[in-house]
Amino acid sequence: DAKTTQPTSMDCAEGRAANLPCNHSTISGNEYVYWYRQIHSQGPQYIIHGLKNNETNEMASLIITEDRKSSTLILPHATLRDTAVYYCIVSSLSNDYKLSFGAGTTVTVRA
Amino acid sequence: DVKVTQSSRYLVKRTGEKVFLECVQDMDHENMFWYRQDPGLGLRLIYFSYDVKMKEKGDIPEGYSVSREKKERFSLILESASTNQTSMYLCASSQRQGAAETQYFGPGTRLLVL
Repeated sequence: DAKTTQPTSMDCAEGRAANLPCNHSTISGNEYVYWYRQIHSQGPQYIIHGLKNNETNEMASLIITEDRKSSTLILPHATLRDTAVYYCIVSSLSNDYKLSFGAGTTVTVRA
Repeated sequence: DVKVTQSSRYLVKRTGEKVFLECVQDMDHENMFWYRQDPGLGLRLIYFSYDVKMKEKGDIPEGYSVSREKKERFSLILESASTNQTSMYLCASSQRQGAAETQYFGPGTRLLVL
């Protein structure tokens, strides 16, 4: 299984964009990149996923490099409620879509 | 919206008790999962199920069993609870979106075994 590397923590100012990097240099061709987040004492929440094209939804944008070895999750206008642990995960049908949650990035949005 | 519910948010049990954790999803998802989450260890997959009456072991199935008698319901059973099973338990169900599959999680059950 491909593994991911994320920074341990990062701070962001409220109202500014938050850019969360993720390295997945061993990703295979059929593996998707997923992002989840977990707010304290709650279950993980799905944010977005992509294969090779950039994706955007109401929560965030996902930018995947052309070689697919890294990606960036963008929260366009961070709010205090975006404070959470953010997980970058790669998964595919070949591993039964199992999600392997690493340590993630603890994002703190400050007023 | 996808809704995954878990029977209890908090549960306190004694060592040796049989514990049932229930999970229900309302989106007709085929796949359901049970994880546990512990500080420093992240989420670990206990069991998952692709269909009614089907189950597959995850990474840490020891000490647990599961039951999937109906599509919408997936139960995790601790046959004889032990203190090292004190943890946060998370249920998820998944939905296929094209060639990708997205998991949706319940709120979690914090289990304390005394």
